[in-house]
Amino acid sequence: GPKVLQIPSHQIIDMGQMVTLNCDPVSNHLYFYWYKQILGQQMEFLVNFYNGKVMEKSKLFKDQFSVERPDGSYFTLKIQPTALEDSAVYFCASSLGTGGHAEQFFGPGTRLTVL
Amino acid sequence: GDSVTQTEGLVTLTKGLPVMLNCTYQTTYSPFLFWYVQHLNEAPKLLLKSSTDNKRTEHQGFYATLHKSSSSFHLQKSSVQLSDSALYFCALSLSSGSWQLIFGSGTQLTVMP
Repeated sequence: GPKVLQIPSHQIIDMGQMVTLNCDPVSNHLYFYWYKQILGQQMEFLVNFYNGKVMEKSKLFKDQFSVERPDGSYFTLKIQPTALEDSAVYFCASSLGTGGHAEQFFGPGTRLTVL
Repeated sequence: GDSVTQTEGLVTLTKGLPVMLNCTYQTTYSPFLFWYVQHLNEAPKLLLKSSTDNKRTEHQGFYATLHKSSSSFHLQKSSVQLSDSALYFCALSLSSGSWQLIFGSGTQLTVMP
């Protein structure tokens, strides 16, 4: 079936550095999402993106976070600067449409460790 | 606010036994409910979805019925297999704005031989 890829699978960085998480969504999908999962807790919505713009973001989407998808390439989540509390697994998802029955396809996640 | 509750964190069963994983939700909107399954080191994959009250939905031997009266969407299977060992998430789609998913905390199902 359709697959979402995430690069890298693991990233370890020092606090204060910048990190970019990359997502290769399903090729014909139009809606893109990032979710954050802290160890032992549930996955939480960060942001979604459509037609080059952020549609909605949660309170977890701090000012240090940004997303973009330049020229239909990777959908990226950038954190600058990083903080210890940013350590988590970040899941990217994409969907063809929107609405309650639109299936979101997830990537395997990027495990980010901030030291 | 909107939320999803999964009461079991860990469920361990012997192969061939039935299983029910609980999911209840709270929302002021019309509910769309999902079950996702995540095997070790893989991406979460959609297992089931429903928005129709009192209608059973099935896939790969798993089934669930959305009951709006009790705000529940429990996942069941009549006979678990070793390959069913995975993390199961219940999720609610908010029927407004971004259609973001609200996830439960997940239930780790382990099936023993």
